[in-house]
Amino acid sequence: AQSVAQPEDQVNVAEGNPLTVKCTYSVSGNPYLFWYVQYPNRGLQFLLKYITGDNLVKGSYGFEAEFNKSQTSFHLKKPSALVSDSALYFCAVRDGGGTGFQKLVFGTGTRLLVSP
Amino acid sequence: NAGVTQTPKFQVLKTGQSMTLQCAQDMNHEYMSWYRQDPGMGLRLIHYSVGAGITDQGEVPNGYNVSRSTTEDFPLRLLSAAPSQTSVYFCASSYSPSGSSYNEQFFGPGTRLTVL
Repeated sequence: AQSVAQPEDQVNVAEGNPLTVKCTYSVSGNPYLFWYVQYPNRGLQFLLKYITGDNLVKGSYGFEAEFNKSQTSFHLKKPSALVSDSALYFCAVRDGGGTGFQKLVFGTGTRLLVSP
Repeated sequence: NAGVTQTPKFQVLKTGQSMTLQCAQDMNHEYMSWYRQDPGMGLRLIHYSVGAGITDQGEVPNGYNVSRSTTEDFPLRLLSAAPSQTSVYFCASSYSPSGSSYNEQFFGPGTRLTVL
């Protein structure tokens, strides 16, 4: 079965510093990987995806993610954190193949706290 | 566009009571799904639908029923609430463009349910 792991419950970073939120995956076949963000009292919002192609994927709000096949990782990064980036971040992997509806398997989430 | 809307935002039930969580989307998406979010467990898929009249089970379907009579609406029914169903429930919708192998999911704001 497909799975993702987020090893850190919380990441703390000072505003202006670079941030990394870690995700590792376990899949059979080619991985389709995603990052979603959840702001307080809101639903999840899509940030970015890796399907194929360049290992560095750029997404919304200045976030990017680096796909590393040898390390089976898909870490979320941002060069300069903002206080407004404080939120809960979920890594997810597609479960199953083909077109149409695709089930997503989510990680347990990492809370990012950016201090002023 | 309102996107994905959910009602109510909060609900408290007693064990054994029934209720329906409402979900509607105005994006003409084919696919709709229900997730529950529990601390330390990420999001888990309850039920999903690939079109009006078509539903299927997800990872944790027990205790929940769904139906899809229109493209817009996808209600989730709890027939006899149990404390284990205390959770935050998210509805999501998505589409699959022709030829695409991925469809981003759009999430509603959630319903926080407590079962006493």
